[in-house]
Amino acid sequence: GQQLNQSPQSMFIQEGEDVSMNCTSSSIFNTWLWYKQDPGEGPVLLIALYKAGELTSNGRLTAQFGITRKDSFLNISASIPSDVGIYFCAGQLDDKIIFGKGTRLHILP
Amino acid sequence: EAQVTQNPRYLITVTGKKLTVTCSQNMNHEYMSWYRQDPGLGLRQIYYSMNVEVTDKGDVPEGYKVSRKEKRNFPLILESPSPNQTSLYFCASSLTGWDGYTFGSGTRLTVV
Repeated sequence: GQQLNQSPQSMFIQEGEDVSMNCTSSSIFNTWLWYKQDPGEGPVLLIALYKAGELTSNGRLTAQFGITRKDSFLNISASIPSDVGIYFCAGQLDDKIIFGKGTRLHILP
Repeated sequence: EAQVTQNPRYLITVTGKKLTVTCSQNMNHEYMSWYRQDPGLGLRQIYYSMNVEVTDKGDVPEGYKVSRKEKRNFPLILESPSPNQTSLYFCASSLTGWDGYTFGSGTRLTVV
């Protein structure tokens, strides 16, 4: 079946550093979504991308929908302690949404 | 406040004892879905529903049932739970299915 490869699996960074993570697939998607999950909570939608090549920002977050429609990346600039959590990408085609396995972000003091 | 509410948040049960996890949304969303989250496996879809009385299997439907008798509710039923169904479960809803899902806070189920 369809799979998303999300990388890296985990990251350890210093506060203030920029972060980059990405998702790739062998399948084409019509929509790419990025979620963040805090401990003990459900995922929360950060950014939705609907068009190939689209670049969208939400505060310090920037995400892009790859031209081939098979990949997407998420960047976080100037990380702060509350950025800690698990970030999930999700690709959607018709009624199906496939989630990546997540990138766990740790911020060192 | 717009939200997806699931109950209970935590549940410990024994093998074979039927249980229901409730899910309700107050946003008049058409689409609702159930996911399970397991370490190293991410979020996997169990069942989804595009409208009242319309449900379809996701990637891991075995051992689960759902119903969508009214738009706001989408309960998940485990007729005979087994230990491999120990997991963190999320209900989610979406207005169109294209605009991203709003997730509930999760139900942590342990089957012993």
